[in-house]
Amino acid sequence: KQEVTQIPAALSVPEGENLVLNCSFTDSAIYNLQWFRQDPGKGLTSLLLIQSSQREQTSGRLNASLDKSSGRSTLYIAASQPGDSATYLCAVFPGGGADGLTFGKGTHLIIQP
Amino acid sequence: SQTIHQWPATLVQPVGSPLSLECTVEGTSNPNLYWYRQAAGRGLQLLFYSVGIGQISSEVPQNLSASRPQDRQFILSSKKLLLSDSGFYLCAWGGVSAGTSGYYEQYFGPGTRLTVT
Repeated sequence: KQEVTQIPAALSVPEGENLVLNCSFTDSAIYNLQWFRQDPGKGLTSLLLIQSSQREQTSGRLNASLDKSSGRSTLYIAASQPGDSATYLCAVFPGGGADGLTFGKGTHLIIQP
Repeated sequence: SQTIHQWPATLVQPVGSPLSLECTVEGTSNPNLYWYRQAAGRGLQLLFYSVGIGQISSEVPQNLSASRPQDRQFILSSKKLLLSDSGFYLCAWGGVSAGTSGYYEQYFGPGTRLTVT
């Protein structure tokens, strides 16, 4: 059974710092991996999607990497801003047509102004 | 473009009462549809998924059920709610969206906050 772990569970840093959020998964047979953002009481916003054949994806100040063989992904946030405060979720998709995502419990991020 | 709707946004129900949550998707045909639950202190958990009308697969045993009466409509139901059914319920659709890299991806609705009292 696939398990996804995110470290750290919570992080509070001053504005402007560069951050690294970590995600690990136990079964490397994945189709893709997604990073989501969740604001309090809201649904999920997809940030980045990395296919199993890819090594990284970038969007603005965000960069996600994937090392499928070691079962790890990192989300790098450059020059953090207070608006980046949210919970960040990592999820893996096994493929096979209709399987659902397996999520980690998330990293709760607070950026202090 | 594709959009996904859920209602109601919030719901407070007594133990033992019935439940019906609705999810609809616009702008795509024959999507895979999913129900997830986010309970306090726990990660998001897949409850049901559907690859077509009338086709439902359950991931965990519970007193909830799902139905897909139309291609783009997904309903989550219960005959008698338990306290443990409280949580944030998210519907998602899966497919290859126009404007992305062409890969399969899941897109989430705004969610329904259910409190069972």
